[in-house]
Amino acid sequence: EDQVTQSPEALRLQEGESSSLNCSYTVSGLRGLFWYRQDPGKGPEFLFTLYSAGEEKEKERLKATLTKKESFLHITAPKPEDSATYLCAVQGSGGYNKLIFGAGTRLAVHP
Amino acid sequence: EADIYQTPRYLVIGTGKKITLECSQTMGHDKMYWYQQDPGMELHLIHYSYGVNSTEKGDLSSESTVSRIRTEHFPLTLESARPSHTSQYLCASSIRQSTDTQYFGPGTRLTVL
Repeated sequence: EDQVTQSPEALRLQEGESSSLNCSYTVSGLRGLFWYRQDPGKGPEFLFTLYSAGEEKEKERLKATLTKKESFLHITAPKPEDSATYLCAVQGSGGYNKLIFGAGTRLAVHP
Repeated sequence: EADIYQTPRYLVIGTGKKITLECSQTMGHDKMYWYQQDPGMELHLIHYSYGVNSTEKGDLSSESTVSRIRTEHFPLTLESARPSHTSQYLCASSIRQSTDTQYFGPGTRLTVL
């Protein structure tokens, strides 16, 4: 069964303190791994799609990496506006191209 | 940048009422989805559509129904709302291809009293 586990559940950082969020997954035939940012009361905002092990993508202070079993979202020198819940999702080859979401990591960056 | 809209953003209603949550997208995407999300929990797919006149149920059992008469419009209806339907409902859309990035609307927070 396809599954996504994100850790930690919550993370508190000081402004400028770099860290990484983890997304572990099991899926039949990975088609894509997705990272989203979700602010309270809003819909998820798309960040990255990764397709194969070894791939990396960057956007401002965020960098996403992918291995065969997990993905990391590295946050470099975070700012308070980076505070949000970060969601990871995978899409496998079975079924109807559905996304399986993790529960997310709640990130709080304090000045 | 995604252009997908949901109305209303917030809805508080009494038990037994019929409600329709609206979702529209202006990107011409073939595929549309409805997810349900409780606070601090995963998103769960409740309905999806591959195109006009195509609708399917997702993984999470739901008493809601959907329709897809126009490409850009994917409304969700609850015939008789109950407190157990209280949740956040998120609509998404994507281009029909093997790996499709889904773009989400802002969501509707439904509270049934």
